[in-house]
Amino acid sequence: EAGVTQSPTHLIKTRGQQATLRCSPISGHTSVYWYQQALGLGLQFLLWYDEGEERNRGNFPPRFSGRQFPNYSSELNVNALELEDSALYLCASSFSGTATIYNEQFFGPGTRLTVL
Amino acid sequence: AQSVTQLGSHVSVSEGALVLLRCNYSSSVPPYLFWYVQYPNQGLQLLLKYTSAATLVKGINGFEAEFKKSETSFHLTKPSAHMSDAAEYFCAVTRSGGSNYKLTFGKGTLLTVNP
Repeated sequence: EAGVTQSPTHLIKTRGQQATLRCSPISGHTSVYWYQQALGLGLQFLLWYDEGEERNRGNFPPRFSGRQFPNYSSELNVNALELEDSALYLCASSFSGTATIYNEQFFGPGTRLTVL
Repeated sequence: AQSVTQLGSHVSVSEGALVLLRCNYSSSVPPYLFWYVQYPNQGLQLLLKYTSAATLVKGINGFEAEFKKSETSFHLTKPSAHMSDAAEYFCAVTRSGGSNYKLTFGKGTLLTVNP
């Protein structure tokens, strides 16, 4: 069974540009979560999508946005890039995150975003 | 709101020695607790989880953790460290009982295993 995949592996952008990161969940999973792992800040929750809708959002500015497609894959967009956006962005997927029981989140390998 | 505190950003042990990584949590509702491991340039791998069943949880690679409500702790242990255990370990918490399962992570503990 294929795991969570993310693309690209590495992404280099300059300040002010836009970055698009992609995530394909495990087959059958409907929830996709995005986390940012920045140096010194640890792992922080960014966004959660389920069944095509944004369900929850972390404490990040609106220039961090995303969407979930009908096939449950997801895109994270970061506009007006700043130097401090440099981080590893991890995507996780699970069976429905709206269920009353917890469904394990499986993580992808991440996209390393470098902002110059 | 939930939070976790990992005591010690860096732990160093000798091969064959006991591994003890500390995690304390704060939660207004019964928590679900997790330990993840991250090897260099890789994503996160779940080691074990507590979801209100047995308080002593056994995971992969010989790791285990005990949920202690009175101490609000969920420390990770392994009786004998291997060189391959060198990695960064993250404790995480989410709320039980309902439809908002974002994970809140600790800052991580880097485990070094010396030969």
